[in-house]
Amino acid sequence: ETGVTQSPTHLIKTRGQQVTLRCSSQSGHNTVSWYQQALGQGPQFIFQYYREEENGRGNFPPRFSGLQFPNYSSELNVNALELDDSALYLCASSHRLAAKETQYFGPGTRLLVL
Amino acid sequence: AQSVTQLGSHVSVSEGALVLLRCNYSSSVPPYLFWYVQYPNQGLQLLLKYTSAATLVKGINGFEAEFKKSETSFHLTKPSAHMSDAAEYFCAVSADYGGATNKLIFGTGTLLAVQP
Repeated sequence: ETGVTQSPTHLIKTRGQQVTLRCSSQSGHNTVSWYQQALGQGPQFIFQYYREEENGRGNFPPRFSGLQFPNYSSELNVNALELDDSALYLCASSHRLAAKETQYFGPGTRLLVL
Repeated sequence: AQSVTQLGSHVSVSEGALVLLRCNYSSSVPPYLFWYVQYPNQGLQLLLKYTSAATLVKGINGFEAEFKKSETSFHLTKPSAHMSDAAEYFCAVSADYGGATNKLIFGTGTLLAVQP
């Protein structure tokens, strides 16, 4: 059973550009959540996808958007990049949509915006 | 609304000493509580979780945590620290608010250093 995988591992962009980050959920998991972890901070919830629909969103602007595909993999898109978007972006999947369910995290994508 | 407070952003212990990492939560409904560990340049790994069964929860690598409702705490302990325990530790909370979701709210983390 493979765990959660993310690509790319590292990315450098410039202000104003757009970026797409990818996540493959763990086998059998239908829920994917995305988190932003700024340097020295705890992860912050961006949004969650369940069965290809957005199911909850944190305090992030609309230029953060996402998709979930029929195989439950997911993408995070960020438009008009700002310097403050520099962070580690973590994807997490869970077996079902329940508050007590464990979320399994991928290794993250480290984004640097110059 | 939910929140988590981790007291002590940096904790240093000697190898073999007790590890105690503090977590206090706030939740208007019964919480589910999690401890995750993050090694340098890696994602988060679950250590243990509380889901309203036993209040004393045992996790991986010899860690355990006790849910104390009266103190709104979920402190993480390990009797004897090992060098390999050096990492950042995050406490997180989620809860059922009527809608189906498993959003995690994280604390700011505690960086554990283990001295030889």
